[in-house]
Amino acid sequence: AQRVTQPEKLLSVFKGAPVELKCNYSYSGSPELFWYVQYSRQRLQLLLRHISRESIKGFTADLNKGETSFHLKKPFAQEEDSAMYYCALSILQGAQKLVFGQGTRLTINP
Amino acid sequence: DTEVTQTPKHLVMGMTNKKSLKCEQHMGHRAMYWYKQKAKKPPELMFVYSYEKLSINESVPSRFSPECPNSSLLNLHLHALQPEDSALYLCASSQEPGAREKLFFGSGTQLSVL
Repeated sequence: AQRVTQPEKLLSVFKGAPVELKCNYSYSGSPELFWYVQYSRQRLQLLLRHISRESIKGFTADLNKGETSFHLKKPFAQEEDSAMYYCALSILQGAQKLVFGQGTRLTINP
Repeated sequence: DTEVTQTPKHLVMGMTNKKSLKCEQHMGHRAMYWYKQKAKKPPELMFVYSYEKLSINESVPSRFSPECPNSSLLNLHLHALQPEDSALYLCASSQEPGAREKLFFGSGTQLSVL
């Protein structure tokens, strides 16, 4: 069965510290993974996807098929990074289904 | 226009009411989605429309009835709901139904069933 696991419901770090949000997945096919973010009072939006291999707002994520992980990292956290972060696995069953992890609420302390 | 627009933003209804949620996008996207999000939980897929045809129904109770009248509009008709159906209902769209790609989400309709 397809599953996405984000082990930390809450994560709190100080401004300027490194951040890592963990994501593990279970999927028998070729994975396509995304990180979505929801800032306070804003809609859910794409942060980045593994296939594009780009850095958005200083965040990066590398797909590790051996460890079935797609952890989100940023070397120096900023206060505006405080938000809810969802890791999501995209699968095709006639159409696209996004399977979300439980989410991690990241708080950056000044 | 690069947004998905949902109306109304808030809705309160009784268990015997009939109401509809509306979703609109003008980005030419051919896949549209309904998700349900309970408080402090991730979004859960309900329905997917591909080229205005229902392609995925995640075993959603029949008191929820989706409709896609054209490529820009998606409705969710509600009838005889239960209090446990209270949640944030999110609409989303993506460009190609058969591709694994970015979803654009609306702001949602916060539904309360009394």
